[in-house]
Amino acid sequence: DSGVTQTPKHLITATGQRVTLRCSPRSGDLSVYWYQQSLDQGLQFLIHYYNGEERAKGNILERFSAQQFPDLHSELNLSSLELGDSALYFCASRAVARDAEAFFGQGTRLTVV
Amino acid sequence: SQQGEEDPQALSIQEGENATMNCSYKTSINNLQWYRQNSGRGLVHLILIRSNEREKHSGRLRVTLDTSKKSSSLLITASRAADTASYFCATDSGGGRRALTFGSGTRLQVQP
Repeated sequence: DSGVTQTPKHLITATGQRVTLRCSPRSGDLSVYWYQQSLDQGLQFLIHYYNGEERAKGNILERFSAQQFPDLHSELNLSSLELGDSALYFCASRAVARDAEAFFGQGTRLTVV
Repeated sequence: SQQGEEDPQALSIQEGENATMNCSYKTSINNLQWYRQNSGRGLVHLILIRSNEREKHSGRLRVTLDTSKKSSSLLITASRAADTASYFCATDSGGGRRALTFGSGTRLQVQP
């Protein structure tokens, strides 16, 4: 158990809809990262939050947004969903230390039909 | 875009053989990390090597880093069927951004 919790585990929704994915980081970790993994692909970095502030953006579509709340949990909002948004969405958390490793949640599998 | 690129994309070996995976990256780094992913599951951290280190060992894992060539390799010795998974390198560029950027991964199949 990595200590990072993602909900829900599976999500099936229709095109055009909006969904929210939730991530609770490991206790004490201030950094939260979101990644997208399409079938048999590598991980695409979406966005990084540190202690409630956005720190870096990767290949995140304008239809996607995220936030990190005062209790450090984070939410990734995906709107106007398209078939191509079907993927595994991972959240990871890291401690502040310079050489900290990332701890990953088990992911949310999103299927857009 | 991916910071790291793993090579090969896929590797199939017999139990007991060694498996070597390579990673190349583009920008300067603070450290480089290797992760393992069982099919459809979350990634698990294996080993980290700092930019001022050249080699590191952890059990059956050996990692090397050549910052002049911007490349790293992961060697798994005496492989087991349970090592079957995808392996990813991730680079940490440090600084305020501290984004952890992953490569495209090597899919390792160890035949019993």
